[in-house]
Amino acid sequence: AQTVTQSQPEMSVQEAETVTLSCTYDTSESDYYLFWYKQPPSRQMILVIRQEAYKQQNATENRFSVNFQKAAKSFSLKISDSQLGDAAMYFCAYRKIQGAQKLVFGQGTRLTINP
Amino acid sequence: DADVTQTPRNRITKTGKRIMLECSQTKGHDRMYWYRQDPGLGLRLIYYSFDVKDINKGEISDGYSVSRQAQAKFSLSLESAIPNQTALYFCATSDERANYGYTFGSGTRLTVV
Repeated sequence: AQTVTQSQPEMSVQEAETVTLSCTYDTSESDYYLFWYKQPPSRQMILVIRQEAYKQQNATENRFSVNFQKAAKSFSLKISDSQLGDAAMYFCAYRKIQGAQKLVFGQGTRLTINP
Repeated sequence: DADVTQTPRNRITKTGKRIMLECSQTKGHDRMYWYRQDPGLGLRLIYYSFDVKDINKGEISDGYSVSRQAQAKFSLSLESAIPNQTALYFCATSDERANYGYTFGSGTRLTVV
């Protein structure tokens, strides 16, 4: 079974600085999707960024980018120029392309932004 | 209106009571899911459904049941609630490809006392 591991329960960063959240996963599939979701105090789950495993280029969405290392099964999220509104729980998630399309989530990382 | 609506938003219930959490969607998606979120454990899949006649157990289905009343409605029931079912529950939907992950409801925080 696929598993997703986020080894950092909590992280903090100064406003305007850069922070990287780690995620590793285990799978025997060659094609799959990876996602980062943000959960602010409102508890809504918000898609931040997605990566298709067959694409070597790292995905970028404004201040958010990923470092996708397929061989190492690593998928970290970098947040540049951190803002107070970035404070949230962040979840890494995996989904294989074929089959039931179930999302498998990591344990989450709580990110605090210090003003 | 939200694409995926969950009711109630918060609920406190007593041990042994039956409770139903409801989810409805306007996305037109065939696939619907129920997850529970616990601190330190992330989100874990309870049940999922690909259409009205197709319901499948997830990794933690014991103590739960579901009903897919229509394409747009997917309810989760706790037949006899127990305190370790205290959690945040999410309903989510996806289309057949799910290339962009899921669309989530805003969650139901359930407390069993």
